[in-house]
Amino acid sequence: QKEVEQDPGPLSVPEGAIVSLNCTYSNSAFQYFMWYRQYSRKGPELLMYTYSSGNKEDGRFTAQVDKSSKYISLFIRDSQPSDSATYLCAMRPGGGADGLTFGKGTHLIIQP
Amino acid sequence: DAGVTQSPTHLIKTRGQQVTLRCSPKSGHDTVSWYQQALGQGPQFIFQYYEEEERQRGNFPDRFSGHQFPNYSSELNVNALLLGDSALYLCASSLSGHSYEQYFGPGTRLTVT
Repeated sequence: QKEVEQDPGPLSVPEGAIVSLNCTYSNSAFQYFMWYRQYSRKGPELLMYTYSSGNKEDGRFTAQVDKSSKYISLFIRDSQPSDSATYLCAMRPGGGADGLTFGKGTHLIIQP
Repeated sequence: DAGVTQSPTHLIKTRGQQVTLRCSPKSGHDTVSWYQQALGQGPQFIFQYYEEEERQRGNFPDRFSGHQFPNYSSELNVNALLLGDSALYLCASSLSGHSYEQYFGPGTRLTVT
């Protein structure tokens, strides 16, 4: 079992829909949870990070962390064709170890 | 404010050769991490440099080595290249103690033939 599991998709939704992207993980030491967006042949772009459990909102994006279930989510409201990209979840433990552990990424397609 | 820059953009090497990739961190950042991203996969952590020393290493053989310079820029060296080393190599910079905010460069695409 991989440390971080993420459905690779593709996930195709119509413009304006609410998108839900998810990751599960097995390492209970993970404390920081990040979401990155990666366009084709580009480097990942940090969207937001969350520490421990709870919700965080930034514009059309909301990140949720449920540590009891080892499950994290990213919601995108009012999705736009420009949101079409691969979304990567990443995690790291609370102290000391700084390298991020990534999921495989979910390929999202927003249909105009 | 310049972001993370990497060079070269693309590189083609032959099996058994050696390669050096370069990274300049985002202004104000002092920590550089390197990742390998195979096609269709998420990035995998190679190692991290801070204060010119390797601070943490992922599960990569010692054919992969690095260096950080006093101006915080960094190099990744790979010796005895294998076909399986073909990937996008990503550099990420952060401020020490804030590695949950890692900013990535555009990457160097390495093809080993």
